[in-house]
Amino acid sequence: EDKVVQSPLSLVVHEGDTVTLNCSYEVTNFRSLLWYKQEKKAPTFLFMLTSSGIEKKSGRLSSILDKKELFSILNITATQTGDSAIYLCAVLNNNAGNMLTFGGGTRLMVKP
Amino acid sequence: GAVVSQHPSRVICKSGTSVKIECRSLDFQATTMFWYRQFPKQSLMLMATSNEGSKATYEQGVEKDKFLINHASLTLSTLTVTSAHPEDSSFYICSAGDRTSGNTIYFGEGSWLTVV
Repeated sequence: EDKVVQSPLSLVVHEGDTVTLNCSYEVTNFRSLLWYKQEKKAPTFLFMLTSSGIEKKSGRLSSILDKKELFSILNITATQTGDSAIYLCAVLNNNAGNMLTFGGGTRLMVKP
Repeated sequence: GAVVSQHPSRVICKSGTSVKIECRSLDFQATTMFWYRQFPKQSLMLMATSNEGSKATYEQGVEKDKFLINHASLTLSTLTVTSAHPEDSSFYICSAGDRTSGNTIYFGEGSWLTVV
């Protein structure tokens, strides 16, 4: 059974801080790892990572995948209050079509 | 770009009644769609895989007779919560993958169900 574990469960920081969110996984036939941000509604897509060691970047957010150690990190620099959300990590298994297995999420709160 | 639309976004129903939630892929065909459920402050949990033209595949612990899934066309899957109880109150989200755009997975907007 595929498994995704995120840490920390929750995090409280102040504006301007840098945060690193962790995601480790066990997948029988790994295809890709995805990061989502969820506020009050459905998750919004951040990154899809398929290859090891290649950083993906979007503004203040970046993410990288380590397929040898089976983990990924999501970095947010110069955090803002609008970054407050639940960040979800999910994996795709080649044997399971488009079915995502989600981690438990990290709840980030950024205080002014 | 491709979009997955979910309806209704919010619904309140009485205990014992049934509620139908629709999930549509607007710009692409989806032979498979997925239904997730999310309780407050928890992650998304897969309920079932909806397969066009065949029976849905349910995850362990999900009652198929309670959560009826119909995937009658390549662009529409429906989830019907039958004989709803207050403990069914939750956020339900569907997703589908678009093979024509690199298999990008799109989520519907989600549906808040409150059973009173």
